[in-house]
Amino acid sequence: DAKTTQPPSMDCAEGRAANLPCNHSTISGNEYVYWYRQIHSQGPQYIIHGLKNNETNEMASLIITEDRKSSTLILPHATLRDTAVYYCIVRVGERFNKFYFGSGTKLNVKP
Amino acid sequence: DAGVIQSPRHEVTEMGQEVTLRCKPISGHNSLFWYRQTMMRGLELLIYFNNNVPIDDSGMPEDRFSAKMPNASFSTLKIQPSEPRDSAVYFCASSYTGAFGQPQHFGDGTRLSIL
Repeated sequence: DAKTTQPPSMDCAEGRAANLPCNHSTISGNEYVYWYRQIHSQGPQYIIHGLKNNETNEMASLIITEDRKSSTLILPHATLRDTAVYYCIVRVGERFNKFYFGSGTKLNVKP
Repeated sequence: DAGVIQSPRHEVTEMGQEVTLRCKPISGHNSLFWYRQTMMRGLELLIYFNNNVPIDDSGMPEDRFSAKMPNASFSTLKIQPSEPRDSAVYFCASSYTGAFGQPQHFGDGTRLSIL
């Protein structure tokens, strides 16, 4: 699996957009990019995933660069409840979708 | 729709006792995953099943750990005998593997403390 690199922590002001970067320079053509977050010790929460195109859902937007070597998760209007550890995972979209979680980015949303 | 359901939410027991963690995956999902999370090692995959069959148990730490999936709606992770170093949060996740790229969905976990 391609390795991902994320900054260990980021700060964001409440109400502003939070842009969380992820580098995956060794990604291959059939690998998807997934984003999860974990609030306190709750179970990881699925946010969004994509292969090549940018994706948007009710929680966030995922921007994947044209060369697919990096991506950005965008929370358009961060709230205090978005404070969490965010994980970027790259995984082949095969049948069994085995995930490996790294250290993630701790996003601190401040009033 | 109900998500992945794990029980118990918390378990405190003494060293040497048998511990059984339970998981009910999302209806219609055919893959199930057991993870363990500690401060030192982060989130680790222990074992996963597809169509009730164990596919990869290379993450199971030792023979004291065992997992079963007797049917599509139930799985157990058992530790016997338990040791203090097994203290962690154990998560179960499920996904549908009938289409490429489907994400995993996690339960709220079982916080296990071995005294």
